Amino acid sequence: GQNIDQPTEMTATEGAIVQINCTYQTSGFNGLFWYQQHAGEAPTFLSYNVLDGLEEKGRFSSFLSRSKGYSYLLLKELQMKDSASYLCAVRAPISSGSARQLTFGSGTQLTVLP
Amino acid sequence: DTAVSQTPKYLVTQMGNDKSIKCEQNLGHDTMYWYKQDSKKFLKIMFSYNNKELIINETVPNRFSPKSPDKAHLNLHINSLELGDSAVYFCASSQAYTAYEQYFGPGTRLTVT
Repeated sequence: GQNIDQPTEMTATEGAIVQINCTYQTSGFNGLFWYQQHAGEAPTFLSYNVLDGLEEKGRFSSFLSRSKGYSYLLLKELQMKDSASYLCAVRAPISSGSARQLTFGSGTQLTVLP
Repeated sequence: DTAVSQTPKYLVTQMGNDKSIKCEQNLGHDTMYWYKQDSKKFLKIMFSYNNKELIINETVPNRFSPKSPDKAHLNLHINSLELGDSAVYFCASSQAYTAYEQYFGPGTRLTVT
């Protein structure tokens, strides 16, 4: 089975740095995604990690440790528009074939205060 | 615009009715998905089609029936709607069934009364 945990809510101040953690226990692993979802909108892709280490993309960075079943999303220089839900998702095989599927966590609602 | 589109955006209906949600993507992807996002914000895969063939069929009541007339379309038909079906349904697509970066549609908010 798949189990993905992330904090339900976080609050931070504009201009600050925030780290959103995600831990997972899954049968099979082919990478971890972070998606951003603003209220009432569709999730949009932020980052993808398949190897251990840090991937940096502008103000956003994502880290993965496969041995610990752990990832985090780091948001720097927070802006008001970063207020959104951040979804951690694990990619894993469906069966013995090459098809894969995503299993999402419940998301972390980030509120950025002025 | 290149995107994943869904219709309708909002759907309010009574228990027992049958309804359909349509999804189209013009990204040239060959895999499409249906997800359900409940009130607790869990986004859960329901179905996936690759080149019009079903590849994922999670434990979903058989009142839900997906149909893929071609690679660019994946529709969801729901029979005998129940209160528990109220949720936001998202369609998504990706380049291949390896479920790499997925592009999501705007969602359909279904309310069953």
